[in-house]
Amino acid sequence: EPEVTQTPSHQVTQMGQEVILRCVPISNHLYFYWYRQILGQKVEFLVSFYNNEISEKSEIFDDQFSVERPDGSNFTLKIRSTKLEDSAMYFCASSVQGSRSYEQYFGPGTRLTVT
Amino acid sequence: AQSVTQLGSHVSVSEGALVLLRCNYSSSVPPYLFWYVQYPNQGLQLLLKYTSAATLVKGINGFEAEFKKSETSFHLTKPSAHMSDAAEYFCAVSEGKGYSSASKIIFGSGTRLSIRP
Repeated sequence: EPEVTQTPSHQVTQMGQEVILRCVPISNHLYFYWYRQILGQKVEFLVSFYNNEISEKSEIFDDQFSVERPDGSNFTLKIRSTKLEDSAMYFCASSVQGSRSYEQYFGPGTRLTVT
Repeated sequence: AQSVTQLGSHVSVSEGALVLLRCNYSSSVPPYLFWYVQYPNQGLQLLLKYTSAATLVKGINGFEAEFKKSETSFHLTKPSAHMSDAAEYFCAVSEGKGYSSASKIIFGSGTRLSIRP
């Protein structure tokens, strides 16, 4: 069964460093998403992406964040200058269509630890 | 804006007992509702979804949920708990702008289910 994959599973970085989290969505999916879950808190929407542009972003997704689909298979989240409060589990998701009735398939997540 | 509220951050039941995890939603439009499960150190897996076809929705692993508009609820149940059901469960609602626009999932705060032997 096709699945969303994410690398790395765990990333440790120092405050102020740039990180790139990578995701490979399901191959026939057209809509891509990033969510994050700070330890002990709820999963929060960060950004949605379709047709090579951002569809919607949350207030969390400030200028330090960017997303890109550099080729036909990868979808990346870049944090330009990490802060301690960026420590969280980051989930990538994809869906075949964007409307509300279509489920989003989630990857296993990347745990980002900022020290 | 849409939202979901999960009542009870932690639920503990005995193996073989009924599982009931509560979720209430708030939505100005007909909602699309989901239950996701997160096993320790794993990602989010869809258990079931409600998309207005039937009010009683059956999911994987013996779980089901009933959509009750009058109560704005979408509670998750399983008749007989198994040790392997121990996990975090998230109720969620999908919010979108239109058919071709990307939607987003709004999650509840989660309920941790523990199973006692």
